[in-house]
Amino acid sequence: DAGVIQSPRHEVTEMGQEVTLRCKPISGHNSLFWYRQTMMRGLELLIYFNNNVPIDDSGMPEDRFSAKMPNASFSTLKIQPSEPRDSAVYFCASSSVTGGLETQYFGPGTRLLVL
Amino acid sequence: EDQVTQSPEALRLQEGESSSLNCSYTVSGLRGLFWYRQDPGKGPEFLFTLYSAGEEKEKERLKATLTKKESFLHITAPKPEDSATYLCAVQAGGTYKYIFGTGTRLKVLA
Repeated sequence: DAGVIQSPRHEVTEMGQEVTLRCKPISGHNSLFWYRQTMMRGLELLIYFNNNVPIDDSGMPEDRFSAKMPNASFSTLKIQPSEPRDSAVYFCASSSVTGGLETQYFGPGTRLLVL
Repeated sequence: EDQVTQSPEALRLQEGESSSLNCSYTVSGLRGLFWYRQDPGKGPEFLFTLYSAGEEKEKERLKATLTKKESFLHITAPKPEDSATYLCAVQAGGTYKYIFGTGTRLKVLA
């Protein structure tokens, strides 16, 4: 299995521009998570999807952030407009529940720099 | 409030010098405790899941243990390639969320 795939791996943009991050979860996994990692705050959960439906978006910082999961094999996280404080590494993770047990597997991340 | 605290923040070891990393937690009904390894510029890599006090898991030079209040990641005779940040996370019963600690940065010197 290729694991969780994220693109792009690196993104440099200017303040005010739209940024779209992409994620392909592991085939067969029915849960998908978007996280943000910074030195100051560590790993923070932004949004959680189950069976392509957003279940909890309480971690999304503000209306500038939006996420979609149009099908079981693809999700996007969009920031519009971007701001310098959005600079961070964004991770996508997927998981499946088997016998009540669940493990999240992370992608390689997208390193975002907003100038 | 569910909380995870990892210590120490950073640890430097000589190759072959065994040590332990600590993960203390408070959670409403533990569903699982997870250990991940994260190398610079990469995503967290899953190591272990522990579910109940007294449980132990091993993988190469790593051994994870769990009590009702904390977990330890024991590293026996570490090698430079074990250098990484080790993250601990807990999942409370009835939830999907992981609560992550801030990690322990391990450096093993040759």
